[in-house]
Amino acid sequence: AQSVTQLGSHVSVSEGALVLLRCNYSSSVPPYLFWYVQYPNQGLQLLLKYTTGATLVKGINGFEAEFKKSETSFHLTKPSAHMSDAAEYFCAVIPFGNEKLTFGTGTRLTIIP
Amino acid sequence: GAGVSQSPSNKVTEKGKDVELRCDPISGHTALYWYRQSLGQGLEFLIYFQGNSAPDKSGLPSDRFSAERTGGSVSTLTIQRTQQEDSAVYLCASSLGGSSGNTIYFGEGSWLTVV
Repeated sequence: AQSVTQLGSHVSVSEGALVLLRCNYSSSVPPYLFWYVQYPNQGLQLLLKYTTGATLVKGINGFEAEFKKSETSFHLTKPSAHMSDAAEYFCAVIPFGNEKLTFGTGTRLTIIP
Repeated sequence: GAGVSQSPSNKVTEKGKDVELRCDPISGHTALYWYRQSLGQGLEFLIYFQGNSAPDKSGLPSDRFSAERTGGSVSTLTIQRTQQEDSAVYLCASSLGGSSGNTIYFGEGSWLTVV
């Protein structure tokens, strides 16, 4: 079965520092890949997704992610953290030819002033 | 509205009672999903509807849980004889369907507390 692993349930970075949230998937066939963000007491909002084409994907709020087939990874980055980035981030996959979105366990991002 | 609409936004119910949670997907979206988010369990898939196809019910945790989608639009998730472990946020989502790459849009969720 398709699965997705997020390394680090909690990540803290200083304001202005690089944000790196890790995501790995398990599949012999590359799936469709997504990052969602959830702010406190709110629903899930799509940050970015990879389906086909360019492996470096740019999303909202300055985030980007790179699909690396050789590493089965889809890590999320942002060059300079803002206080407003504090939230929980979920990596998710849909296996090719499927419609079921499977989530990782999430990473809570804290920004240190 | 433009997004996925869920009601009620908050529900407190007594153990043993039945509850119904409603989801109104984005107009024109043929795919509809229900997920559950609870502490310690993350985001769990419950059920998926796509057009007129038989729903994928593989994520429903017990036979106390059921869902229907009427007219290919509004969906209702029903939990019978609620238990305390059913306390969670129930999230509905929709997409255009037909392709795994379509964005799945989520509602704000229905917060269920069983006391």
